[in-house]
Amino acid sequence: RKEVEQDPGPFNVPEGATVAFNCTYSNSASQSFFWYRQDCRKEPKLLMSVYSSGNEDGRFTAQLNRASQYISLLIRDSKLSDSATYLCVVRGNRKLIWGLGTSLAVNP
Amino acid sequence: EAQVTQNPRYLITVTGKKLTVTCSQNMNHEYMSWYRQDPGLGLRQIYYSMNVEVTDKGDVPEGYKVSRKEKRNFPLILESPSPNQTSLYFCASSSDVTGNYGYTFGSGTRLTVV
Repeated sequence: RKEVEQDPGPFNVPEGATVAFNCTYSNSASQSFFWYRQDCRKEPKLLMSVYSSGNEDGRFTAQLNRASQYISLLIRDSKLSDSATYLCVVRGNRKLIWGLGTSLAVNP
Repeated sequence: EAQVTQNPRYLITVTGKKLTVTCSQNMNHEYMSWYRQDPGLGLRQIYYSMNVEVTDKGDVPEGYKVSRKEKRNFPLILESPSPNQTSLYFCASSSDVTGNYGYTFGSGTRLTVV
């Protein structure tokens, strides 16, 4: 089992749709959780950290379920500019573990 | 502007010809790291450095060397490149190893070894 697993997609959604991604992790001792965004052939950029109580940043909501060992990212009112790959990242023992990413295409 | 600068952006080289990919950050970050990204394998850490003169192996260090003689610079050296090192390489820096404040990545170096 991979340490961090994501549905690779692609998710194809129309503009304005709500889309959710899930990510599961295997190490119950994982300490911190993040979502990064990566545009095609470009560098990853931090989208948001994920806090135990859940957190929101504009149209983006991240949630953590420690008991089930998964985190989620919800994007509301999708924009064309949201098209990218979303990487789930988990911090284990002194290192970050990166998921392979979920590809999102928002269509006009 | 706070940034991580990698050079070159693109490089095609031949097997066995030593090369260096440079990485420099202007944020006074202590932590720096090199990753390679390959289809189906994601981002894998090659080496990291927690401070000047402190470097350590990541998950895939074979065939690579690094040095950290100054805080801002963290070059990646391929002494004898081979075709299996063809990849997209990213340098990243952070104010601390936890990554809780986010990693800042360079724009990437696309390396092809023929």
